Amino acid sequence: DAGVIQSPRHEVTEMGQEVTLRCKPISGHNSLFWYRQTMMRGLELLIYFNNNVPIDDSGMPEDRFSAKMPNASFSTLKIQPSEPRDSAVYFCASSEAYEQYFGPGTRLTVT
Amino acid sequence: GDSVTQMEGPVTLSEEAFLTINCTYTATGYPSLFWYVQYPGEGLQLLLKATKADDKGSNKGFEATYRKETTSFHLEKGSVQVSDSAVYFCALASGGSYIPTFGRGTSLIVHP
Repeated sequence: DAGVIQSPRHEVTEMGQEVTLRCKPISGHNSLFWYRQTMMRGLELLIYFNNNVPIDDSGMPEDRFSAKMPNASFSTLKIQPSEPRDSAVYFCASSEAYEQYFGPGTRLTVT
Repeated sequence: GDSVTQMEGPVTLSEEAFLTINCTYTATGYPSLFWYVQYPGEGLQLLLKATKADDKGSNKGFEATYRKETTSFHLEKGSVQVSDSAVYFCALASGGSYIPTFGRGTSLIVHP
């Protein structure tokens, strides 16, 4: 398996623009997680899906953030409108049990 | 709630030195314990795990033993290499929740 795939790897955008991050989990994994990592706040869980259903979105910072998982092989995290404080590395991870498998991340820079 | 506490970094060592990174946890029940490693520019990857008390997880020369009496899962390696320079995260997962609790990470820098 190719592992968890994320795209794009890097995204630079201007404040106010819409940003969409994409994730393809490992085939057969039924759980998917979106994380954000910054130097100041460390690794933060944003949202957790199980069998394509959002189970816990308490980490989503505000209404500007939304996530979807239309099927077992694809998920998106959207930020609209983006702000400079959203600059971070966003990771997607998938699992079938307790061990998590992380993607390479998307480095987002909002200017 | 569950929590994981790791030693503050960075930990700076010379090549071939002995490594210990401390990790203690608070959890209800009997959690599974993990160490993940994050190399520069990459995502986290599972390094080792232990699922019950007194289990020892090991991989790539790293070891950690699940100590229920001290609620600890310290990471050790007998002889570190420059290529071990990375950030190490201790984590736990317990009960029916597949949402892990991560520590804040400990940066390891190994000099030649």
